[in-house]
Amino acid sequence: NAGVTQTPKFQVLKTGQSMTLQCAQDMNHEYMSWYRQDPGMGLRLIHYSVGAGITDQGEVPNGYNVSRSTTEDFPLRLLSAAPSQTSVYFCASSRTSGSHSYEQYFGPGTRLTVT
Amino acid sequence: EDKVVQSPLSLVVHEGDTVTLNCSYEVTNFRSLLWYKQEKKAPTFLFMLTSSGIEKKSGRLSSILDKKELFSILNITATQTGDSAIYLCAVDIRVQGAQKLVFGQGTRLTINP
Repeated sequence: NAGVTQTPKFQVLKTGQSMTLQCAQDMNHEYMSWYRQDPGMGLRLIHYSVGAGITDQGEVPNGYNVSRSTTEDFPLRLLSAAPSQTSVYFCASSRTSGSHSYEQYFGPGTRLTVT
Repeated sequence: EDKVVQSPLSLVVHEGDTVTLNCSYEVTNFRSLLWYKQEKKAPTFLFMLTSSGIEKKSGRLSSILDKKELFSILNITATQTGDSAIYLCAVDIRVQGAQKLVFGQGTRLTINP
């Protein structure tokens, strides 16, 4: 199993450009999520999905869109990049089962710089 | 507002020392508390705690949860240079049945030889 994979590893954008960060998992996990990590702030939830066709906003959703057309893939779209979106982005996935908690598995991250 | 606070934010010790990392939380709808270790890249899972007073242990690492006082500690004994990392604490809160993790800022642990 490859686990959770993310592409690209690094990206530099100019202000106003758009792009899509790719995330895929091969563990048949229903739950997938996107986080951003900034210095001194831990990880903050951007968007999450509990299954194909179902997405919802996290703590910091502004400027980002997601969709979930398959169980495996959960892309994150930046509509019009801003310098404030310079960050490291992590995708994660986990099992879901009612109120039971499961560990989330993280991808290797994408380091994004917006100039 | 759901909040998770870790302390200290940074810690430097010598190899062989014992360290205690702290995580306190104020959240609605607590389900579990998780510890992750982050070296260069992705966070990797260490422990999940759901019940007070039950210690989870893995080698030199152990953790315990106090749901009355709303905190958890992560202990590392006989530290090694390979323990140098950022340690993240996260609380699973339930929002309309869906898992959401609220993370603390992390503790950067440096082990000097």
